[in-house]
Amino acid sequence: KNEVEQSPQNLTAQEGEFITINCSYSVGISALHWLQQHPGGGIVSLFMLSSGKKKHGRLIATINIQEKHSSLHITASHPRDSAVYICAVLTGNQFYFGTGTSLTVIP
Amino acid sequence: DAGVTQSPTHLIKTRGQHVTLRCSPISGHKSVSWYQQVLGQGPQFIFQYYEKEERGRGNFPDRFSARQFPNYSSELNVNALLLGDSALYLCASSRFSRETQYFGPGTRLLVL
Repeated sequence: KNEVEQSPQNLTAQEGEFITINCSYSVGISALHWLQQHPGGGIVSLFMLSSGKKKHGRLIATINIQEKHSSLHITASHPRDSAVYICAVLTGNQFYFGTGTSLTVIP
Repeated sequence: DAGVTQSPTHLIKTRGQHVTLRCSPISGHKSVSWYQQVLGQGPQFIFQYYEKEERGRGNFPDRFSARQFPNYSSELNVNALLLGDSALYLCASSRFSRETQYFGPGTRLLVL
Protein backbone atom coordinates (compact mmCIF):
# COMPACT_ATOMS: atom_id res chain seq x y z
CA LYS A 1 0.00 0.00 0.00
CA ASN A 2 1.33 3.43 -0.93
CA GLU A 3 1.68 6.01 1.77
CA VAL A 4 0.18 8.60 -0.60
CA GLU A 5 -2.80 7.97 -2.85
CA GLN A 6 -4.07 10.38 -5.48
CA SER A 7 -7.30 10.47 -7.42
CA PRO A 8 -8.14 10.54 -10.17
CA GLN A 9 -5.15 9.11 -12.03
CA ASN A 10 -6.22 10.78 -15.25
CA LEU A 11 -8.50 13.73 -15.81
CA THR A 12 -9.72 15.43 -18.98
CA ALA A 13 -11.56 18.72 -18.71
CA GLN A 14 -12.93 21.38 -21.00
CA GLU A 15 -11.35 24.80 -20.80
CA GLY A 16 -12.99 26.86 -18.10
CA GLU A 17 -14.04 23.93 -15.91
CA PHE A 18 -13.37 23.76 -12.18
CA ILE A 19 -10.99 20.91 -11.40
CA THR A 20 -10.32 19.04 -8.17
CA ILE A 21 -7.50 16.60 -7.53
CA ASN A 22 -7.47 14.66 -4.29
CA CYS A 23 -4.66 13.30 -2.13
CA SER A 24 -4.95 10.98 0.84
CA TYR A 25 -2.06 9.86 3.00
CA SER A 26 -1.60 7.30 5.72
CA VAL A 27 1.38 8.63 7.67
CA GLY A 28 1.81 11.48 10.11
CA ILE A 29 3.21 14.43 8.26
CA SER A 30 4.85 17.75 8.94
CA ALA A 31 4.01 19.18 5.53
CA LEU A 32 2.34 18.36 2.23
CA HIS A 33 3.50 19.59 -1.17
CA TRP A 34 1.64 19.92 -4.42
CA LEU A 35 3.94 19.72 -7.44
CA GLN A 36 3.35 20.29 -11.14
CA GLN A 37 5.33 18.32 -13.71
CA HIS A 38 5.24 19.18 -17.39
CA PRO A 39 6.22 16.84 -20.23
CA GLY A 40 10.00 16.69 -20.34
CA GLY A 41 10.27 16.32 -16.60
CA GLY A 42 10.51 19.82 -15.11
CA ILE A 43 8.88 20.00 -11.69
CA VAL A 44 7.52 23.14 -10.09
CA SER A 45 6.49 23.31 -6.48
CA LEU A 46 3.01 24.85 -6.31
CA PHE A 47 2.23 24.78 -2.61
CA MET A 48 3.58 23.62 0.70
CA LEU A 49 0.87 23.17 3.33
CA SER A 50 0.83 22.16 6.94
CA SER A 51 -2.69 23.34 7.72
CA GLY A 52 -5.66 25.20 6.28
CA LYS A 53 -5.76 26.63 2.80
CA LYS A 54 -3.51 28.46 0.37
CA LYS A 55 -4.36 30.30 -2.84
CA HIS A 56 -2.15 31.38 -5.70
CA GLY A 57 -3.85 32.79 -8.75
CA ARG A 58 -6.33 30.21 -10.03
CA LEU A 59 -4.92 27.48 -7.81
CA ILE A 60 -6.24 26.65 -4.34
CA ALA A 61 -4.87 23.96 -2.03
CA THR A 62 -6.52 22.75 1.14
CA ILE A 63 -5.51 20.25 3.77
CA ASN A 64 -7.41 18.50 6.55
CA ILE A 65 -4.85 17.09 8.94
CA GLN A 66 -7.39 15.10 10.98
CA GLU A 67 -8.75 13.37 7.87
CA LYS A 68 -5.28 13.07 6.27
CA HIS A 69 -6.57 14.53 3.06
CA SER A 70 -5.66 17.38 0.75
CA SER A 71 -7.23 18.78 -2.39
CA LEU A 72 -5.86 20.88 -5.21
CA HIS A 73 -8.42 22.99 -7.05
CA ILE A 74 -7.96 24.77 -10.35
CA THR A 75 -10.54 27.40 -11.21
CA ALA A 76 -11.24 28.45 -14.81
CA SER A 77 -8.93 25.75 -16.18
CA HIS A 78 -6.82 26.51 -19.23
CA PRO A 79 -4.95 24.27 -21.69
CA ARG A 80 -1.65 25.47 -20.21
CA ASP A 81 -2.70 23.79 -16.96
CA SER A 82 -2.23 20.44 -18.70
CA ALA A 83 0.42 18.62 -16.70
CA VAL A 84 0.90 15.92 -14.10
CA TYR A 85 0.06 17.06 -10.58
CA ILE A 86 1.87 15.24 -7.79
CA CYS A 87 1.12 15.21 -4.08
CA ALA A 88 4.09 14.65 -1.76
CA VAL A 89 4.18 14.42 2.01
CA LEU A 90 7.07 15.06 4.37
CA THR A 91 7.31 12.76 7.36
CA GLY A 92 10.41 12.98 9.48
CA ASN A 93 13.08 13.73 6.92
CA GLN A 94 11.60 11.52 4.21
CA PHE A 95 9.31 12.44 1.36
CA TYR A 96 6.63 10.14 -0.01
CA PHE A 97 5.09 10.88 -3.39
CA GLY A 98 1.82 10.00 -5.02
CA THR A 99 1.90 8.61 -8.54
CA GLY A 100 0.40 11.79 -9.93
CA THR A 101 -2.75 12.93 -11.67
CA SER A 102 -2.42 13.54 -15.38
CA LEU A 103 -4.59 16.52 -16.34
CA THR A 104 -5.49 17.42 -19.91
CA VAL A 105 -7.47 20.59 -20.51
CA ILE A 106 -9.09 20.74 -23.93
CA PRO A 107 -9.68 24.11 -25.60
CA ASP B 1 19.07 34.26 -9.39
CA ALA B 2 19.80 31.04 -11.19
CA GLY B 3 17.62 28.09 -10.35
CA VAL B 4 18.76 24.64 -9.39
CA THR B 5 21.13 23.27 -12.00
CA GLN B 6 21.99 19.67 -12.71
CA SER B 7 24.60 18.02 -14.88
CA PRO B 8 24.72 16.23 -17.15
CA THR B 9 21.27 16.57 -18.72
CA HIS B 10 21.42 13.15 -20.33
CA LEU B 11 23.65 10.15 -19.78
CA ILE B 12 23.94 6.67 -21.25
CA LYS B 13 25.78 3.96 -19.33
CA THR B 14 26.06 0.20 -19.48
CA ARG B 15 25.28 -2.29 -16.75
CA GLY B 16 27.93 -2.52 -14.07
CA GLN B 17 29.30 0.96 -14.65
CA HIS B 18 29.37 3.77 -12.15
CA VAL B 19 27.75 7.19 -12.55
CA THR B 20 28.07 10.55 -10.79
CA LEU B 21 25.32 13.14 -11.06
CA ARG B 22 25.79 16.72 -9.94
CA CYS B 23 23.52 19.35 -8.52
CA SER B 24 24.02 23.01 -7.70
CA PRO B 25 21.36 24.49 -5.43
CA ILE B 26 19.91 27.96 -5.53
CA SER B 27 22.24 30.45 -3.89
CA GLY B 28 21.54 30.56 -0.16
CA HIS B 29 19.90 27.16 -0.06
CA LYS B 30 21.58 24.74 2.33
CA SER B 31 19.45 21.65 1.77
CA VAL B 32 19.62 19.37 -1.25
CA SER B 33 17.43 16.35 -1.90
CA TRP B 34 17.70 13.68 -4.58
CA TYR B 35 14.81 11.80 -6.19
CA GLN B 36 14.49 9.03 -8.75
CA GLN B 37 11.57 9.06 -11.15
CA VAL B 38 11.05 5.99 -13.26
CA LEU B 39 9.00 6.57 -16.40
CA GLY B 40 5.30 6.67 -15.65
CA GLN B 41 5.72 6.78 -11.87
CA GLY B 42 5.96 9.45 -9.22
CA PRO B 43 9.35 10.46 -7.82
CA GLN B 44 10.94 8.33 -5.13
CA PHE B 45 12.98 9.97 -2.38
CA ILE B 46 16.64 8.92 -2.30
CA PHE B 47 18.53 11.28 0.00
CA GLN B 48 18.35 14.62 1.75
CA TYR B 49 21.42 16.57 2.82
CA TYR B 50 21.51 19.64 5.00
CA GLU B 51 24.68 21.46 5.99
CA LYS B 52 26.75 18.64 4.50
CA GLU B 53 25.11 15.98 6.66
CA GLU B 54 22.69 13.29 5.58
CA ARG B 55 19.30 14.08 7.09
CA GLY B 56 17.14 11.51 5.34
CA ARG B 57 17.46 8.37 3.27
CA GLY B 58 14.87 6.57 1.20
CA ASN B 59 14.59 2.87 0.54
CA PHE B 60 17.47 2.50 -1.91
CA PRO B 61 20.35 0.01 -1.89
CA ASP B 62 23.85 0.86 -0.76
CA ARG B 63 24.88 1.21 -4.39
CA PHE B 64 23.40 4.69 -4.09
CA SER B 65 25.42 7.25 -2.17
CA ALA B 66 25.62 11.01 -2.05
CA ARG B 67 27.50 13.84 -0.49
CA GLN B 68 27.21 17.58 -0.08
CA PHE B 69 30.14 19.93 -0.41
CA PRO B 70 30.99 23.08 1.59
CA ASN B 71 29.45 25.22 -1.18
CA TYR B 72 26.23 23.15 -0.73
CA SER B 73 26.45 21.54 -4.15
CA SER B 74 25.87 17.81 -4.16
CA GLU B 75 26.77 14.63 -5.98
CA LEU B 76 24.76 11.46 -6.31
CA ASN B 77 26.78 8.34 -7.03
CA VAL B 78 25.40 5.05 -8.24
CA ASN B 79 27.65 2.00 -8.46
CA ALA B 80 27.17 -1.26 -10.34
CA LEU B 81 24.39 0.15 -12.50
CA LEU B 82 21.38 -2.01 -13.28
CA LEU B 83 18.91 -1.66 -16.11
CA GLY B 84 16.31 -0.67 -13.52
CA ASP B 85 18.35 2.38 -12.56
CA SER B 86 17.27 4.00 -15.83
CA ALA B 87 15.25 7.00 -14.70
CA LEU B 88 15.06 10.74 -14.37
CA TYR B 89 17.12 11.83 -11.38
CA LEU B 90 15.85 15.04 -9.84
CA CYS B 91 17.60 17.32 -7.41
CA ALA B 92 15.76 19.87 -5.30
CA SER B 93 17.03 22.56 -2.98
CA SER B 94 15.53 24.53 -0.14
CA ARG B 95 16.82 27.03 2.38
CA PHE B 96 16.31 24.63 5.24
CA SER B 97 15.47 20.95 5.38
CA ARG B 98 11.69 21.34 5.76
CA GLU B 99 10.85 24.20 3.44
CA THR B 100 9.43 24.50 -0.06
CA GLN B 101 11.70 22.70 -2.49
CA TYR B 102 12.80 24.01 -5.85
CA PHE B 103 13.50 21.36 -8.43
CA GLY B 104 16.19 21.20 -11.07
CA PRO B 105 15.53 20.00 -14.62
CA GLY B 106 16.81 16.53 -13.86
CA THR B 107 19.34 14.15 -15.37
CA ARG B 108 18.00 11.44 -17.64
CA LEU B 109 20.02 8.27 -17.14
CA LEU B 110 19.70 5.35 -19.50
CA VAL B 111 21.38 2.09 -18.57
CA LEU B 112 21.87 -0.37 -21.42
